[in-house]
Amino acid sequence: QVQLVESGGGVDQPGTSLRLSCAASGFTFSSYAMHWVRQAPGKGLEWVAVISYDGTNKYYADSVKGRFTISRDNSKNTLFLQMNSLRAEDMAVYYCARVGTARTMYNWFDPWGQGTLVTVSS
Amino acid sequence: EIVMTQSPATLSVSPGERATLSCRASQSVISNLAWYQQKPGQAPRLLIYGASTRATGIPARFSGSGSGTEFTLTISSLQSEDFAVYYCQQYNKWPPYTFGQGTKLEIK
Repeated sequence: QVQLVESGGGVDQPGTSLRLSCAASGFTFSSYAMHWVRQAPGKGLEWVAVISYDGTNKYYADSVKGRFTISRDNSKNTLFLQMNSLRAEDMAVYYCARVGTARTMYNWFDPWGQGTLVTVSS
Repeated sequence: EIVMTQSPATLSVSPGERATLSCRASQSVISNLAWYQQKPGQAPRLLIYGASTRATGIPARFSGSGSGTEFTLTISSLQSEDFAVYYCQQYNKWPPYTFGQGTKLEIK
């Protein structure tokens, strides 16, 4: 079955860096665009970034542009989020999510991983 | 940026009754709208895409309607497992992909 498993979350101080990973299985990873979405404690969902199926197109939320980088390794079925210059407001559960249909970014998010918690605190 | 506004913020309904959740877009998203369910401590789950198409495995009591800027998620007869937070999301004009702030469906 389709499965997404995030890892790499933890506790870090403001200004530091962290890299999240999302291991995909059960589908042809190289055919699907992938997203990162975050949820601050007790808050709603905030889209963070998207990468096209082949990695050539990447888009970011204004709140993370210039600090976060989304990437993928299609040979290892893995999605990444490099987070630099972390701020207190970046503290959240980070979910990776696949789009519903292959080879498009105009699409809903399905499925989602279980999430990984990033805590930013001094 | 397209702003998605959900109402009400909290909806109290008794089991077996009907629940109607609303979502409004600040500009037309055509039918490029999805609904998600999120239970405490869990990831969101896709319920509806294309404004009205149920995702795989979603019970028929969930239905979506609307187009343009006004959308509705209806749960025809609430079961205990349906009490959760529901989000709408547009994928018509991006970036950014935008979510509503959520409607919490609670037991009356």
